[in-house]
Amino acid sequence: AQKITQTQPGMFVQEKEAVTLDCTYDTSDQSYGLFWYKQPSSGEMIFLIYQGSYDEQNATEGRYSLNFQKARKSANLVISASQLGDSAMYFCAMRELQSGAGSYQLTFGKGTKLSVIP
Amino acid sequence: EADIYQTPRYLVIGTGKKITLECSQTMGHDKMYWYQQDPGMELHLIHYSYGVNSTEKGDLSSESTVSRIRTEHFPLTLESARPSHTSQYLCASSEATRGGYTFGSGTRLTVV
Repeated sequence: AQKITQTQPGMFVQEKEAVTLDCTYDTSDQSYGLFWYKQPSSGEMIFLIYQGSYDEQNATEGRYSLNFQKARKSANLVISASQLGDSAMYFCAMRELQSGAGSYQLTFGKGTKLSVIP
Repeated sequence: EADIYQTPRYLVIGTGKKITLECSQTMGHDKMYWYQQDPGMELHLIHYSYGVNSTEKGDLSSESTVSRIRTEHFPLTLESARPSHTSQYLCASSEATRGGYTFGSGTRLTVV
């Protein structure tokens, strides 16, 4: 079973508008971390934002915020005031912190390609 | 300035050649990883290391091998490259705590 599901292969957003990228996850661990990465066409992976399973408040980093709904097991990324430079692939990832030796590994979703329209 | 370095950035090589993709980090991280990614697709873990002289295979079977003789260095080797090895290879490292990964810029390998 997939641990990270990103159901939107591609998304379009008008410049300066907000956009939400969906991510749901599956884990039986109580302690885990959720991450979002941005991958421009150049290929590097850029860390955007982190949410711990015990964090009570939704994480925010500048224009990025994470809409964390623990009961629904969702961790959607919200980008406010989209810019042309936001066009990229976005990957959601999870790290299960109680799974022994595997607790250092990140599991990635299939990604969402975001295109910002001028 | 990058804390994790991958070389080469791009590589085009003929079938049957032996290649080594380099990955070095200056952060003192114990944990290092290699991912394989086809264009526009998800990342697949092919190798990881939790410290010197420790290497393990990841979820995706790969004909490549790795070594970890020094903490900062985690090279990946293909003994005989084939067109099916054409892909992007991403190296990453992490601390032992709750943090995520720091990625290198990747190596785009094309085997002709």
